[in-house]
Amino acid sequence: SQQGEEDPQALSIQEGENATMNCSYKTSINNLQWYRQNSGRGLVHLILIRSNEREKHSGRLRVTLDTSKKSSSLLITASRAADTASYFCATEAYGGSQGNLIFGKGTKLSVKP
Amino acid sequence: EPEVTQTPSHQVTQMGQEVILRCVPISNHLYFYWYRQILGQKVEFLVSFYNNEISEKSEIFDDQFSVERPDGSNFTLKIRSTKLEDSAMYFCASSIQVNEKLFFGSGTQLSVL
Repeated sequence: SQQGEEDPQALSIQEGENATMNCSYKTSINNLQWYRQNSGRGLVHLILIRSNEREKHSGRLRVTLDTSKKSSSLLITASRAADTASYFCATEAYGGSQGNLIFGKGTKLSVKP
Repeated sequence: EPEVTQTPSHQVTQMGQEVILRCVPISNHLYFYWYRQILGQKVEFLVSFYNNEISEKSEIFDDQFSVERPDGSNFTLKIRSTKLEDSAMYFCASSIQVNEKLFFGSGTQLSVL
């Protein structure tokens, strides 16, 4: 898979359920970031996890990072209809690349009321 | 919360014409970026800018593209002679430091006819 590939490509759940999205990457990284994009809108930063961190929480979001497997997961707990959006992971390669984030194709999440 | 603002939200131009996309980054941020997203494709890095010069640019950012910070608040992307394949959503972003989260604007949808 390419750098920053998410799976699944699409996920449909009921309100109140948890949503888990995964991201795999290939190269060593400084950090991995998750962004949300509502249809036709800009990207909103959700959470940044550094290469020396394993888990991070922010509200209903939980992100894990496994650098040995070059993978990350984003868990949204108790989902709401307003969480409907596309979710992207983005990696910043180790060793420079000032702001050169490599984005995946994203997971399209649909939360049904 | 402070925002990155982009104008215009939509721009339609004829092939071969010059366009300037404008951005006002967050005021205390030091690093500025342009990304683009062709419909249905990944978000792609174009260029990063710091201390009034380009820090890094991608292969996409060829001689047809240029960036400028003409004053203390604006950050512009110029495409000298637009091509059909330049049609995309262009996102400006800024960050306070490298290896930190990026704040994205809502984007300019560029349509080249």
